[in-house]
Amino acid sequence: QLQLQESGPGLVKPSETLSLTCTVSGGSISSSSYYWGWIRQPPGKGLEWIGSIYYSGSTYYNPSLKSRVAISVDTSKNQFSLKLSSVTAADTAVYYCTRRLKGISMDDYWGQGTLVTVSS
Amino acid sequence: QSVLTQPPSASGTPGQRVTISCSGSSSNIGSNAVNWYQQLPGTAPKLLIYTNNQRPSGVPDRFSGSKSGTSASLAISGLQSEDEADYYCAAWDDSLNGHYVFGTGTKVTVL
Repeated sequence: QLQLQESGPGLVKPSETLSLTCTVSGGSISSSSYYWGWIRQPPGKGLEWIGSIYYSGSTYYNPSLKSRVAISVDTSKNQFSLKLSSVTAADTAVYYCTRRLKGISMDDYWGQGTLVTVSS
Repeated sequence: QSVLTQPPSASGTPGQRVTISCSGSSSNIGSNAVNWYQQLPGTAPKLLIYTNNQRPSGVPDRFSGSKSGTSASLAISGLQSEDEADYYCAAWDDSLNGHYVFGTGTKVTVL
């Protein structure tokens, strides 16, 4: 059974960089059938796609976040990571990592989510 | 940020049929498949419908999806108390070099 688990600091100061890691277990991140991605949800609000990465390293980003986002993959550790720079209070959200089926763009597995609060 | 429009809320009594609409444009729903996600209170979203009308294994057949032009719909027939949740549509958008967009979300209440 595939599982995804987010990890990282729950509190980040304004203007600093948010860093999260997603560890994949029960399956290989190097599968050619999937992308791996991040989606966030501010408290009480809707879902926002952040971006996705293929095991080869190719990426797709939300245009509204592209200048501040970097997603990377470490196939040796079966992990992928998110970095979001110059954060503000508007970046406070639950961050989910997901598996996305290549070609269909559906997120079929989700992590439980981790709340990141931006505050001084 | 959301470019797909959904009604904020929908409701029904147990056993009734509830329908949720999702309105988009030619660059998203009009040219790409629609997915639907269900988010139970306090949990991560779960894939409910993919490619307009396909159900993943384990999703009851009382959930169904459809698409026409630049709009899509999710129908829940035989509404049950455990269906009380937030529902989001989503689709790939071909504008701005391509990106994935979600709907505004609909809260379904079982009366």
